[in-house]
Amino acid sequence: ETGVTQSPTHLIKTRGQQVTLRCSSQSGHNTVSWYQQALGQGPQFIFQYYREEENGRGNFPPRFSGLQFPNYSSELNVNALELDDSALYLCASSSQGAAVPGELFFGEGSRLTVL
Amino acid sequence: TQLLEQSPQFLSIQEGENLTVYCNSSSVFSSLQWYRQEPGEGPVLLVTVVTGGEVKKLKRLTFQFGDARKDSSLHITAAQPGDTGLYLCAGAGEDSNYQLIWGAGTKLIIKP
Repeated sequence: ETGVTQSPTHLIKTRGQQVTLRCSSQSGHNTVSWYQQALGQGPQFIFQYYREEENGRGNFPPRFSGLQFPNYSSELNVNALELDDSALYLCASSSQGAAVPGELFFGEGSRLTVL
Repeated sequence: TQLLEQSPQFLSIQEGENLTVYCNSSSVFSSLQWYRQEPGEGPVLLVTVVTGGEVKKLKRLTFQFGDARKDSSLHITAAQPGDTGLYLCAGAGEDSNYQLIWGAGTKLIIKP
């Protein structure tokens, strides 16, 4: 069983640039959620994708956007980067229709630093 | 708005001591999960509790779901340095579409 993989693991951008983060979900999972985690804080929900459509969104501006592909992998795009966007971005996969809702399996994250 | 209050935020104790971390809400959850996260890594699911009053044990860790499914606790017996990490609770609302409500986390340090 293949776990959740994210790329890149680390990257540095400058303010105003755009970034794309990628996630491959765990095999058998059809739902991907993205989280932003600041240092020492809990994860903050960005959005969730199911069947290639956004299935819920947290309190993040429209410059945070995403995609889910037919193979359930996903991308997170952030435009017009700001300094406060520096964080660990976590991807989590899950299965809609699972016996217990909400169990998430996380990747190791992409550490974004905005200078 | 559903909230999960986690306490304490930070705990530093000696190896061998016992500790309890709490997760409280005024909302009812259909299930609640506990995760552990180490620096630079993603959270790892430890346990899911579903039934009110449920108790689950994972070696030295004991998880309890409140009778009303509004709160949960994690008790660690004889803590070890390997237990060090950020412990996070997350609840699935009864009307959720599989989105979780997260606590802010408890940073636990076990000193040898």
